[in-house]
Amino acid sequence: DSGVTQTPKHLITATGQRVTLRCSPRSGDLSVYWYQQSLDQGLQFLIQYYNGEERAKGNILERFSAQQFPDLHSELNLSSLELGDSALYFCASRAGQAGELFFGEGSRLTVL
Amino acid sequence: EDQVTQSPEALRLQEGESSSLNCSYTVSGLRGLFWYRQDPGKGPEFLFTLYSAGEEKEKERLKATLTKKESFLHITAPKPEDSATYLCAVQSNYGGSQGNLIFGKGTKLSVKP
Repeated sequence: DSGVTQTPKHLITATGQRVTLRCSPRSGDLSVYWYQQSLDQGLQFLIQYYNGEERAKGNILERFSAQQFPDLHSELNLSSLELGDSALYFCASRAGQAGELFFGEGSRLTVL
Repeated sequence: EDQVTQSPEALRLQEGESSSLNCSYTVSGLRGLFWYRQDPGKGPEFLFTLYSAGEEKEKERLKATLTKKESFLHITAPKPEDSATYLCAVQSNYGGSQGNLIFGKGTKLSVKP
């Protein structure tokens, strides 16, 4: 158990819909990272927050957004969903800006 | 551009047959190289961090080594429970990266009894 909690574990929705994925980082960790994993692309970095502030963006679509709340949990919002958004979405955390990331078990999104 | 390439994509071994997985990287200043294990449908599980060329780390049947251009994950006398996808990742010294890890696509290891 990494200490990072993600909900929901599985989510099935239709094209055009909007979903919210939630992440609770390890106790004391200020940095939260979101990654997308699809079969052919591997783990792709989406966005990072540190203590409530956005710090870095990767290959995140404009239809996607995220935030980190004062209690340090984070949410990833995916809107106007397309079939190609079907993937595993992982949250990871660490205490600062360096060292290993600890990953949650992921949220599997299926868009039909 | 920072890049990580892992080979082979898939590896099938018999139980007890030792082998190595390769991770080649290009990065604008290496801050750390990381190995993870991922089981199907699960999140990546941290294994090792290596920081400088010549460094080695061991855990049970696994040993990770690092040179200036690549890292190897050596698996000695593997067991079926070592079957998983092994991921390699790097962190750059570049300040704009904010500590993001760049991942390779992984090596899928299958160990048959």
